[in-house]
Amino acid sequence: DAKTTQPNSMESNEEEPVHLPCNHSTISGTDYIHWYRQLPSQGPEYVIHGLTSNVNNRMASLAIAEDRKSSTLILHRATLRDAAVYYCIPGGGTSYGKLTFGQGTILTVHP
Amino acid sequence: DAMVIQNPRYQVTQFGKPVTLSCSQTLNHNVMYWYQQKSSQAPKLLFHYYDKDFNNEADTPDNFQSRRPNTSFCFLDIRSPGLGDAAMYLCATSRLTGASYEQYFGPGTRLTVT
Repeated sequence: DAKTTQPNSMESNEEEPVHLPCNHSTISGTDYIHWYRQLPSQGPEYVIHGLTSNVNNRMASLAIAEDRKSSTLILHRATLRDAAVYYCIPGGGTSYGKLTFGQGTILTVHP
Repeated sequence: DAMVIQNPRYQVTQFGKPVTLSCSQTLNHNVMYWYQQKSSQAPKLLFHYYDKDFNNEADTPDNFQSRRPNTSFCFLDIRSPGLGDAAMYLCATSRLTGASYEQYFGPGTRLTVT
């Protein structure tokens, strides 16, 4: 499994954009980059995933470096409900979507 | 709404007393997973099923077993719970989205061992 490095914690103010970085320098060519988040006292929730191109959905955008060794999850306007642990997880394209969670980034959003 | 349901949400068992946690899904997904999440840690995969094919992670203790009688249901059996097995147990399902899998998680069952 590819190793990931994420900041332990980040802070943001409400209504401001948030850029959550992730380094995954040992990612394999077939690994997708997945982002999940876990709100307090809930199960993880899928956010977005991509392979090579940048991706957008209703929750967030994913910017993937050209060499695929890093990626950035972008929340365009943070809300209090976005306070969660964000996990960057390479993999998932094989072995029936097995995910190996790292420690993630704790995002705090201030009113 | 289609979803992943875990029962009970909170379970208390005694040291050494077998316990079973339940998961059901209305998503009709063919892959189901069980994760263990200890306090302040990330979820850790215990095993997963593709249909009835069972796949155990190499470091999952023998104390943990699983059953999947049909597509909708999956059970986690802990044969002799120890204090170290106290954790949140998360069930997830997945479907193929494009060429990758998107996982849907239940709310978890918090297990306390006394």
